[in-house]
Parts: sequence; C-alpha cells; structure tokens
Amino acid sequence: KQEVTQIPAALSVPEGENLVLNCSFTDSAIYNLQWFRQDPGKGLTSLLLIQSSQREQTSGRLNASLDKSSGRSTLYIAASQPGDSATYLCASEAAGNKLTFGGGTRVLVKP
Amino acid sequence: GAVVSQHPSWVICKSGTSVKIECRSLDFQATTMFWYRQFPKQSLMLMATSNEGSKATYEQGVEKDKFLINHASLTLSTLTVTSAHPEDSSFYICSASVRQGNVAFFGQGTRLTVV
Repeated sequence: KQEVTQIPAALSVPEGENLVLNCSFTDSAIYNLQWFRQDPGKGLTSLLLIQSSQREQTSGRLNASLDKSSGRSTLYIAASQPGDSATYLCASEAAGNKLTFGGGTRVLVKP
Repeated sequence: GAVVSQHPSWVICKSGTSVKIECRSLDFQATTMFWYRQFPKQSLMLMATSNEGSKATYEQGVEKDKFLINHASLTLSTLTVTSAHPEDSSFYICSASVRQGNVAFFGQGTRLTVV
C-alpha cells in the first residue's frame, strides 16, 4: 500500500526566501506525482504534475522534481510572497486514477 | 483548465437526517469521479470511486450504506450521507480527471456540520 509523507508539516519564512517542500513515497510504481495548493476551507488547486518518466516540471516561480528510484519529489517556490501562504499537498497517482495524498505542509510567508 | 463544481459549499443538518452533495464536471465528461473526506488539519482520505453507470467502489472501512454514491451521468456524481451523526461532520471533496494520468480537478469542497 502506497504511503506518502511530507516534511516538514509546517514552515514559516520571511517574504523573499525560497521554499523547499519535500514529499516521499514508498511505492515507485506510480503514473505521476502531483502537487496541489489548498487554502483554508477550500478545495485543491493543481500546481504541477510530473509524469513518471519526467524528472521535473516548472511553472513560473514553481519547480518540482521527481526521483522515482528514491521515492522523492521536491517542490521549490522561488522568492516567496505572502500570497503563497497555504497548505501544499503532494499526491501520487496509481492505477485507476487513484491519488494517495501526503499529510501536507502548511506554509506561512511573513511580510 | 477543466472545472469541477461542488454544491453546496457548506451545510448544517440535524442528527438523523440525510444530506446530498453534488459534484459536477462542467466542461468535460468524467466516467470516474472520486470522493474524499478531510478532517481539520489532516490530509485527504479517499472514500470511494464513483463510476458512471455502475456501482461505486468503496475504500476499506467506508460504510457503503452510510455514504451512498450515485453517478447517473457523465457529468454528475452525488454523495448522500444518510442518517447523519455528529461524527460525520467533516469536509468532503470530489475530484475528476479527463483521463488517467491527467491533472485531477477538485471541487470547492463541502463543509458538513451535523448538530
């Protein structure tokens, strides 16, 4: 059974610093690895999807890497802004479109 | 991107009553939708897979008679919490993908409070 872990559980940084969020998974037989953002009391917004054959994906200030062999993915957010404050969730997709989520990292960017 | 709409966004109901939550894919057809439950400050836990035209597939530990799922069309899945109790209070979220391996789109979530 796939297990997804996110470290740290919470992170607080001053505005402008780069953010590094870690995600690890136990079963490397995945279709892809997805990163989401969740604001309090809201649904999830997709940030990046990395296919199992890819090593990284980039979108603006966001960059996500994937190392299947070691079961790790990292989300980098450059030059953080207060608007980046949210909970970030990673999820691995297996057969049948099923997503297994990590516990999330709550990020606070202080002005 | 594709849009998944969930309704209502919040609901308060009395113990013993039933509540229906709708999940619609607005601009694509979804043969499969997923229902998740999220407790405060915790991650999403998959409850069931909703299959258009057939019975839902429930995850271990989820009571199928308690959480009724109907996927009558390619754009609509409903979750009915029957005989709700305070312990059913939670945040329920649905999702759908255009196809396997594609980005998953999530509804806005429904905050259920049972009093």
